[in-house]
Amino acid sequence: DAGVTQSPTHLIKTRGQHVTLRCSPISGHKSVSWYQQVLGQGPQFIFQYYEKEERGRGNFPDRFSARQFPNYSSELNVNALLLGDSALYLCASSPKPWESGKRGSGANVLTFGAGSRLTVL
Amino acid sequence: AQKVTQAQTEISVVEKEDVTLDCVYETRDTTYYLFWYKQPPSGELVFLIRRNSFDEQNEISGRYSWNFQKSTSSFNFTITASQVVDSAVYFCALSIGGSQGNLIFGKGTKLSVKP
Repeated sequence: DAGVTQSPTHLIKTRGQHVTLRCSPISGHKSVSWYQQVLGQGPQFIFQYYEKEERGRGNFPDRFSARQFPNYSSELNVNALLLGDSALYLCASSPKPWESGKRGSGANVLTFGAGSRLTVL
Repeated sequence: AQKVTQAQTEISVVEKEDVTLDCVYETRDTTYYLFWYKQPPSGELVFLIRRNSFDEQNEISGRYSWNFQKSTSSFNFTITASQVVDSAVYFCALSIGGSQGNLIFGKGTKLSVKP
């Protein structure tokens, strides 16, 4: 079975440009999350989508946006790139988000893709 | 505020040594989950274990074991008889549900196992 797939694997952009990163979740998973991992740091949460709706957003500027498609794949868009946006962008999928307080709901394991390494020059 | 602290930035051991990776977390929520992930040089995060806040039983899986202590807010990870293939960055993470239900990661501990 295919895992989480991300494209492109590597890309180089210059400041001010725009980038689109793509993610295909594991078959049957309806939730997709995006994380940014700067070199030497742990991943930082950017977005979570479930059933095409945004379910959570981390502390990132409005230059970052995302969407989820009917087939549950997702795109992460970053506008007006800055040098500081250079990072590994990780996509993760899970069956559904954890709805805390809902009986029977629990934190699902996030399965991560190999990431898209973005370099901004 | 939620936070995960992995105080050990880098650890280097010789093969067959035992090694413990420390993780301390902060949250006011009574229901939460803790995770450990491994990140080899390829970059993909590999899931190792999930533990919920109501289950303080320690767990052993082969050479891996985890010690969860709510009293000290710690969730430590021990590798017994380490191997070169264990070399990677290991992340501890916390999940508290809701819109913040995603993972809050520590900064990671880089483990180098030398032959």
